[in-house]
Amino acid sequence: GNSVTQMEGPVTLSEEAFLTINCTYTATGYPSLFWYVQYPGEGLQLLLKATKADDKGSNKGFEATYRKETTSFHLEKGSVQVSDSAVYFCALFLSGSARQLTFGSGTQLTVLP
Amino acid sequence: EAGVAQSPRYKIIEKRQSVAFWCNPISGHATLYWYQQILGQGPKLLIQFQNNGVVDDSQLPKDRFSAERLKGVDSTLKIQPAKLEDSAVYLCASSFIPQRQETQYFGPGTRLLVL
Repeated sequence: GNSVTQMEGPVTLSEEAFLTINCTYTATGYPSLFWYVQYPGEGLQLLLKATKADDKGSNKGFEATYRKETTSFHLEKGSVQVSDSAVYFCALFLSGSARQLTFGSGTQLTVLP
Repeated sequence: EAGVAQSPRYKIIEKRQSVAFWCNPISGHATLYWYQQILGQGPKLLIQFQNNGVVDDSQLPKDRFSAERLKGVDSTLKIQPAKLEDSAVYLCASSFIPQRQETQYFGPGTRLLVL
């Protein structure tokens, strides 16, 4: 079946540090890949997405590149801020009969001033 | 534009009681999803509607959970009777059409605690 594996958290960084959150996937077919962010007490918000191999999604200084050869979609940011503290979810979407988002378990990020 | 609306935001009930959650999707979005998010896990799809028809309810515990989407707009998710393991956040999401590039927009969720 389809699945997403994320780097386990929690991750604690100092402000302006470099961030990487690893995400790998298993899918039957060619999925679209997403990163969602969930701030405390809120629902999920789309952070970025990529729909085919070698695409790079980017938003708010975050980037992730769709790597088909390694089945990965790692999230990176060059300089994190306190306001980036949240839970980050990697997800895949496959069209066809199973048209649904499959999420990873989430990675809690805390950025300290 | 207004986002996905959900109510209530919080609910505490005792086991074996019933509870209902309401969702109003973004205007014009044909597809509506209900997810269950247990603490420390990613959201899990319970049911997907396309307009007012069910597309996928394979992961919905049908002995206790039910959902409907009247007139293809608002939706209600019900649990009857609730169990302790139903404690979770219930998220509603909507999208224009469920294509591979399509973004799902999530509501703030209803946090349910079953005692």
